[in-house]
Amino acid sequence: GQQVMQIPQYQHVQEGEDFTTYCNSSTTLSNIQWYKQRPGGHPVFLIQLVKSGEVKKQKRLTFQFGEAKKNSSLHITATQTTDVGTYFCAAVDAGGTSYGKLTFGQGTILTVHP
Amino acid sequence: DGGITQSPKYLFRKEGQNVTLSCEQNLNHDAMYWYRQDPGQGLRLIYYSQIVNDFQKGDIAEGYSVSREKKESFPLTVTSAQKNPTAFYLCASSIGEGAEAFFGQGTRLTVV
Repeated sequence: GQQVMQIPQYQHVQEGEDFTTYCNSSTTLSNIQWYKQRPGGHPVFLIQLVKSGEVKKQKRLTFQFGEAKKNSSLHITATQTTDVGTYFCAAVDAGGTSYGKLTFGQGTILTVHP
Repeated sequence: DGGITQSPKYLFRKEGQNVTLSCEQNLNHDAMYWYRQDPGQGLRLIYYSQIVNDFQKGDIAEGYSVSREKKESFPLTVTSAQKNPTAFYLCASSIGEGAEAFFGQGTRLTVV
């Protein structure tokens, strides 16, 4: 079945440093989504990528979808303490046998030191 | 207010007892999901449903059961067959396949 690997598991940065988390799938994806979960909270949708090679930006956040639609990355420029939380990618398989299945990566826990 | 509601927020049960977690949405979403979250393991899919009266097993369905008799409701039963049921359970819904998922606040289940 589909596997979604996300690295790194943990990342500690000083405020102002950049941060990147990577997501890799064993299968070709229909689309990929990114979520953020604040400590003690629930995951909240950030963005969805659909097209091969797609790049989207949200202020200091840049999201990329690989050309082969098997990997993705989230990059945060100049981190702030408000960026603290766990970032998850979530994959929708392009194959037909897992219709509707939304599989999450293990998440990257980001800590930002002021 | 439109949204997805999970209840209760905290739940304690004795080992060997079945327990049902509630998930209700008024977003008119077709798809609903149940995930389990353990520290360091992200979100693991238990069951999902794309339409009323139909659901599929996720990656860790053993020891769990669900029903989807109404579009708005997708309750999860944690049975006594689940070997390690203590976890944070999250319910989500989306308008359909591949769409943005909206999560409930979660239920933290502790089995003693």
